[in-house]
Amino acid sequence: GNSVTQMEGPVTLSEEAFLTINCTYTATGYPSLFWYVQYPGEGLQLLLKATKADDKGSNKGFEATYRKETTSFHLEKGSVQVSDSAVYFCALKVGGGADGLTFGKGTHLIIQP
Amino acid sequence: SAVISQKPSRDICQRGTSLTIQCQVDSQVTMMFWYRQQPGQSLTLIATANQGSEATYESGFVIDKFPISRPNLTFSTLTVSNMSPEDSSIYLCSVVNRGQRYEQYFGPGTRLTVT
Repeated sequence: GNSVTQMEGPVTLSEEAFLTINCTYTATGYPSLFWYVQYPGEGLQLLLKATKADDKGSNKGFEATYRKETTSFHLEKGSVQVSDSAVYFCALKVGGGADGLTFGKGTHLIIQP
Repeated sequence: SAVISQKPSRDICQRGTSLTIQCQVDSQVTMMFWYRQQPGQSLTLIATANQGSEATYESGFVIDKFPISRPNLTFSTLTVSNMSPEDSSIYLCSVVNRGQRYEQYFGPGTRLTVT
């Protein structure tokens, strides 16, 4: 089956630190990969995506590159802000629009001023 | 992206009762899904709501417990039947827009507490 493994939190960093949240996956087919973010008290938002190998998704200073050889999609940001404090979910979808998402367990990120 | 609303936003229900959650989208969408997020956990797909036909359920979820309707391309309901405290979760509606087959957007969720 399909599964997503991401580093467990909470991850606590100081403002302006470099962020990496690891995500690896297993999939029965060729997946599309996503990062979603859930800010405190808010709904789930799509942060970025990549649909094929070597694609780089980016948004709001966050980046992730689809690495087929290592089955990974690690989330990175060069300089985090307090406002980046949230729960981040890595997810995959196999087969396009007709299929639902398989999520990782989520990583709680806390940025301290 | 589509604007998705859910009703109710939260509810507290007694054991053994049922609750119907509504999901309304401001545009016609190709696919609609229902997810559950248990306290402190990740999201789990319950089912795909198919327009005009029976929903497709994931392993571990059954129609008798979670009946779903989707009468048109902008609306769906999920009923949580014969509730127990283990059903306390956030239930989320999600959609895929026409022409955006990879991007899935989520509603604000319905926070259900069963006592």
